[in-house]
Amino acid sequence: GENVEQHPSTLSVQEGDSAVIKCTYSDSASNYFPWYKQELGKRPQLIIDIRSNVGEKKDQRIAVTLNKTAKHFSLHITETQPEDSAVYFCAASKGGNQFYFGTGTSLTVIP
Amino acid sequence: NAGVMQNPRHLVRRRGQEARLRCSPMKGHSHVYWYRQLPEEGLKFMVYLQKENIIDESGMPKERFSAEFPKEGPSILRIQQVVRGDSAAYFCASSPIVGGNYGYTFGSGTRLTVV
Repeated sequence: GENVEQHPSTLSVQEGDSAVIKCTYSDSASNYFPWYKQELGKRPQLIIDIRSNVGEKKDQRIAVTLNKTAKHFSLHITETQPEDSAVYFCAASKGGNQFYFGTGTSLTVIP
Repeated sequence: NAGVMQNPRHLVRRRGQEARLRCSPMKGHSHVYWYRQLPEEGLKFMVYLQKENIIDESGMPKERFSAEFPKEGPSILRIQQVVRGDSAAYFCASSPIVGGNYGYTFGSGTRLTVV
C-alpha cells in the first residue's frame, strides 16, 4: 500500500513569516494530493489540492508543489496569520476510493 | 446544503457496551467513507460504502466493527463490546463520485470515549 510521511510534526513561526510542510509518498501510482486543515475539535477541511500532471498550484497565500520524480510534495503558506494555526494533513490517492494521510503538522503562528 | 452530518458529536460508552455512529452524506453524494483519528495521529481509512454495498473495508478491524449504508437513512458505523482503545474521533466523509481524485467533504466527527 501507500505510505505517506509528513514533516515536521510541529512548526512555530512568527506572524508574517512563511511556513513549509513537506510530505513524501511511496507509491508512484499516486496521482492526487490534497491538503487538509483541521482546527482544534473541528472537521478536516480541504484547503488545496494538486494532481500529478501539475507541478505547482497557488491559491492566494497558500501554494503546493509536487515533485513526481522524488515523490514529494509540499505546502507553502506565506504571510502567516494567527488564524493559520491548526493541524495540517497531507494525503495521497491513486484515484481509488481511499486517501492515505500523513500524521499531521501542528502549526502555531505567534502574533 | 447542510453538509455531511454526523451524530452524536460526543459519545461516552462503558467498556463492553455498543457504540453506534451515524453519518448522513451531503445531498447528492452516494459515496461514504469512514476514517478514525486517534489522539495525536492522522486519519486512518476504515471503510468505503455506497448505498447498500460495502465496497472496501480493508481498514476495518476484523472483529467488533461493522458498517452499513442502507437504501434509506444514514450510514451507521457500529462498534460492539467497546474497549478503551476504541476511544477516538470517527470522521465520515462523502463525495458525489469516487473520491480518489476529488477532495472529500468531512463531517464534524463523533468523539467516542470509552470509560
